Amino acid sequence: DIVMTQTPLSLSVTPGQAASISCQSSQSLLHTDGKTYFSWYLQKAGQSPQLLFDDVSRRFSGVPDRFSASGSGTDFTLKISRVETEDVGVYYCMQAVQFPLTFGQGTRLEIK
Amino acid sequence: LQLRESGSGLVKPSQALSLTCTVSGDSMNSGGYSWSWIRQSPGKGLEWIGYIYHSGSTYYRPSLRGRVTISVDRSKNQFSLILHSLTAADTAVYFCARGPYCAGDCDALDVWGQGTLVTVSS
Repeated sequence: DIVMTQTPLSLSVTPGQAASISCQSSQSLLHTDGKTYFSWYLQKAGQSPQLLFDDVSRRFSGVPDRFSASGSGTDFTLKISRVETEDVGVYYCMQAVQFPLTFGQGTRLEIK
Repeated sequence: LQLRESGSGLVKPSQALSLTCTVSGDSMNSGGYSWSWIRQSPGKGLEWIGYIYHSGSTYYRPSLRGRVTISVDRSKNQFSLILHSLTAADTAVYFCARGPYCAGDCDALDVWGQGTLVTVSS
């Protein structure tokens, strides 16, 4: 299985400050078809996960532009330029290049 | 598009859970999507269980293979999960979701159900 490792596992951010989450995969997520099968999700308390980015950096409908994502191969990053209180929750990365699909352990974002 | 899980909430050890995901707002036949089941043990992370593709083909997590079956009833716009030989380790919130694959350029789970808690206990 491809192991997805997120860092940090938790972070506490003052509103208005920036935040960054990294996700590293144990194998390249670049498929022979040229596509990198990687996505980011946010799970707010008591809710199901919601898609933030697919295709590494394609922002999903409704996701604020203070969120950005980048990466390639085995290293990926999610950034929030100015954290707001509504951004609190657990962030997960996921790979879909190889079965079984696997998720990172999650990064808990809290507000200071 | 909305997905909603339904099914058994409390199941005894060694028995089977049966969950159904009802898709509303669009036909399961459009877009050539795969339809997945994912679970989350209490306080833990996300674990993908398997999916059924628009063609009817399925793929299951190897550690669950032999215990799990995913099927589809396109006439009802539903897909289902059966997991046999339950133990306490199968206690989790079970989610259904659309994706990650489709006939176009897809690689993510873009629509999720709200999840349903299944508790395995005698």
